[in-house]
Amino acid sequence: DAGVIQSPRHEVTEMGQEVTLRCKPISGHNSLFWYRQTMMRGLELLIYFNNNVPIDDSGMPEDRFSAKMPNASFSTLKIQPSEPRDSAVYFCASSPSKTAHTSSNQPQHFGDGTRLSIL
Amino acid sequence: AQTVTQSQPEMSVQEAETVTLSCTYDTSENNYYLFWYKQPPSRQMILVIRQEAYKQQNATENRFSVNFQKAAKSFSLKISDSQLGDTAMYFCAFGIIQGAQKLVFGQGTRLTINP
Repeated sequence: DAGVIQSPRHEVTEMGQEVTLRCKPISGHNSLFWYRQTMMRGLELLIYFNNNVPIDDSGMPEDRFSAKMPNASFSTLKIQPSEPRDSAVYFCASSPSKTAHTSSNQPQHFGDGTRLSIL
Repeated sequence: AQTVTQSQPEMSVQEAETVTLSCTYDTSENNYYLFWYKQPPSRQMILVIRQEAYKQQNATENRFSVNFQKAAKSFSLKISDSQLGDTAMYFCAFGIIQGAQKLVFGQGTRLTINP
């Protein structure tokens, strides 16, 4: 049973370039989350989707960041233009949403993260 | 807004000892969930244990157990018979249901198990 799949695992690029991070959630999970992890700020929720619809993007730091979920099996987080302070590990996670047929305490399952370095 | 505080940035114990990691949180919600995640050097985020706030009984998972004090808003993790493989960052997380389970994480505790 495949877990959350993120790509690339590592990304090194120069400032000003566009960066696209990709995520494939666990099949059947209809909630998807993007997090950023840095030494200074820890794990921060950037945005999350429920049934492909963005629910809360209040954690997105700036207009340079955008996220999409065109279908239930794919999401992207884009940074354009990138800056050195965007360097971090970006995690994607998924979980089932609460419905009449599912438990409400299903935990989030995390991908292995993308380590992003902006030079 | 919810906040989660882990007051111990780093801890270190000898193998086979018992160690307790502390976590406090602040919320006005009555129904919520609490989690401990482990992040080893491989960078994976691995769920260790979870607790529903409405349950009075403390959750246990093999060598891992929690001490959940709802009135005090405290949620500590106890690791018994610690093993070298327990070396990792440990994150406490608070979750509420808003259509989806939104998590707020603490800053983490770096735990080192020494041989």
